[in-house]
Amino acid sequence: KQEVTQIPAALSVPEGENLVLNCSFTDSAIYNLQWFRQDPGKGLTSLLLIQSSQREQTSGRLNASLDKSSGRSTLYIAASQPGDSATYLCAVDEYGNKLVFGAGTILRVKS
Amino acid sequence: DAGVIQSPRHEVTEMGQEVTLRCKPISGHDYLFWYRQTMMRGLELLIYFNNNVPIDDSGMPEDRFSAKMPNASFSTLKIQPSEPRDSAVYFCASSFFGVGETQYFGPGTRLLVL
Repeated sequence: KQEVTQIPAALSVPEGENLVLNCSFTDSAIYNLQWFRQDPGKGLTSLLLIQSSQREQTSGRLNASLDKSSGRSTLYIAASQPGDSATYLCAVDEYGNKLVFGAGTILRVKS
Repeated sequence: DAGVIQSPRHEVTEMGQEVTLRCKPISGHDYLFWYRQTMMRGLELLIYFNNNVPIDDSGMPEDRFSAKMPNASFSTLKIQPSEPRDSAVYFCASSFFGVGETQYFGPGTRLLVL
């Protein structure tokens, strides 16, 4: 059974700092991996989607990498801002069947 | 487009009552997903539809849960009878291409069963 783990569970950084969120999964046979952002009391917003054949995806200050063989992905946030404060979730898609989510990393960026 | 619309946003009910959650997907999206989020279990897929047909309901916890999609613009998730352990945030999401493609989530329905 696929299990997705996110480390750290919570992170607090000063504004302007670069940071890395980690995601690991137990079964490397995945279709793709996605990173989402969830604001308190809101739904999820898709940030980046990496197909299994890709190594990374970039969007603005966000960069996500995927190492399928080792079962790891990282989300890099450059020059963090208070508006980046949210919970970040990664999810793996097993052969287009269904998304399996990690528990999330709660990020707080202090001004 | 207004995005995925869910109603109600909050629901408080007593154990044993029937609860109906509603979802309107983004127009043109032919996949619709129902998720449940709790502190203990995180975010779990309950069921998803393709072109109004249920494809995978293996995540539905018990027979007390049922979901329907009578047309392309409306879906319901029903719990009957409700129990306190059903308290959670229920999300609806939709996508154009399917599972594994970008999913657009609604704001969720926060359910509390007393």
